[in-house]
Amino acid sequence: KAGVTQTPRYLIKTRGQQVTLSCSPISGHRSVSWYQQTPGQGLQFLFEYFSETQRNKGNFPGRFSGRQFSNSRSEMNVSTLELGDSALYLCASRVSGPTYNEQFFGPGTRLTVL
Amino acid sequence: KQEVTQIPAALSVPEGENLVLNCSFTDSAIYNLQWFRQDPGKGLTSLLLIQSSQREQTSGRLNASLDKSSGRSTLYIAASQPGDSATYLCAVRPEETSGSRLTFGEGTQLTVNP
Repeated sequence: KAGVTQTPRYLIKTRGQQVTLSCSPISGHRSVSWYQQTPGQGLQFLFEYFSETQRNKGNFPGRFSGRQFSNSRSEMNVSTLELGDSALYLCASRVSGPTYNEQFFGPGTRLTVL
Repeated sequence: KQEVTQIPAALSVPEGENLVLNCSFTDSAIYNLQWFRQDPGKGLTSLLLIQSSQREQTSGRLNASLDKSSGRSTLYIAASQPGDSATYLCAVRPEETSGSRLTFGEGTQLTVNP
């Protein structure tokens, strides 16, 4: 079974631009979460999508947004990029339900903002 | 607000040694706790998931314990190998949400020397 995939793996953008990152969950997984990882703040939760609806949101500004499609694939968008947005963005998926709640992470997208 | 702390921040051991990594959390109202490893520049690999009702989980040379009331978990690695070198992260999932939000510790960077 294929794991969580993220594209692109690396991105270089300049301040003020916007960026879209993509995540394909493991087949059968309906919940997709996004995390930002930086050396200073560690891993921080951005948001979670389930059945095309945002179910949870972390403490990030409105410049960070996401969506989920009917096939469970998810995208996150960051508008008006700032230098501090440089980070590894990780996507995780799980089978939603009381028993199957282990989360599986993708390899991440490394975003560099110049 | 849930806070997760991992001690030590870094650990260097000779090959073959048994070792313990520690994780503590401030709010004992958790749904589960998950241990991950992260290789440099890569995503997270799930190692063990412990439900709040469980005391421990084992996988190969790894054993994780959970003491929910005292807010502690330990990851025991037996007979360490150079391939175990990575950053180990623990993460807790709060009880009060039905979603996937995880709160992570800062991690323990482990180096196993041949």
